[in-house]
Amino acid sequence: QKEVEQNSGPLSVPEGAIASLNCTYSDRGSQSFFWYRQYSGKSPELIMFIYSNGDKEDGRFTAQLNKASQYVSLLIRDSQPSDSATYLCAVTVGGGGSYIPTFGRGTSLIVHP
Amino acid sequence: DADVTQTPRNRITKTGKRIMLECSQTKGHDRMYWYRQDPGLGLRLIYYSFDVKDINKGEISDGYSVSRQAQAKFSLSLESAIPNQTALYFCATSELNYGYTFGSGTRLTVV
Repeated sequence: QKEVEQNSGPLSVPEGAIASLNCTYSDRGSQSFFWYRQYSGKSPELIMFIYSNGDKEDGRFTAQLNKASQYVSLLIRDSQPSDSATYLCAVTVGGGGSYIPTFGRGTSLIVHP
Repeated sequence: DADVTQTPRNRITKTGKRIMLECSQTKGHDRMYWYRQDPGLGLRLIYYSFDVKDINKGEISDGYSVSRQAQAKFSLSLESAIPNQTALYFCATSELNYGYTFGSGTRLTVV
């Protein structure tokens, strides 16, 4: 059973701070890792993906992957109230070609002014 | 126009009725999916299709059926709706392993 775990939160940070969102996964064969942002009542939106160990930066977002410890993180620098949303982690296992992701249940982030 | 369009956006239906949710996409992706989202349960896969002739059950397919009418169209049917099928339904598309593009969702209420 593939599992992807996220703390449901809410994680509350002040405006301008760094928000750190974490995700752990159970399948060591996992190869691809995705972060989606979902505003309340809206659809998830892909914001980052990472395939290799280490950091990947895109604007204010940084994804960090550590396959040995089986976790992936999303850092949001200079957090803004507009970043308040639920962040979903998704993981796919390689091989076989299906690439159907397993989603975590999401972490709610609140950025307060 | 949105890349992935779902209709209707909201629907209230009665127990026992048949209902169809429709999804169309302009991404040109072969892969299409139907998910439902319930508070506290996250996204759960109902059905997926990798091409027009390929249909696969997801983790919660009971009570649902799908039709892939064309590369761009994938519809979800509830044969006889029941109240515990009240949820937010999302269609999504993808190209291999490059992440999903989701539609705007259909909020379905079964009374």
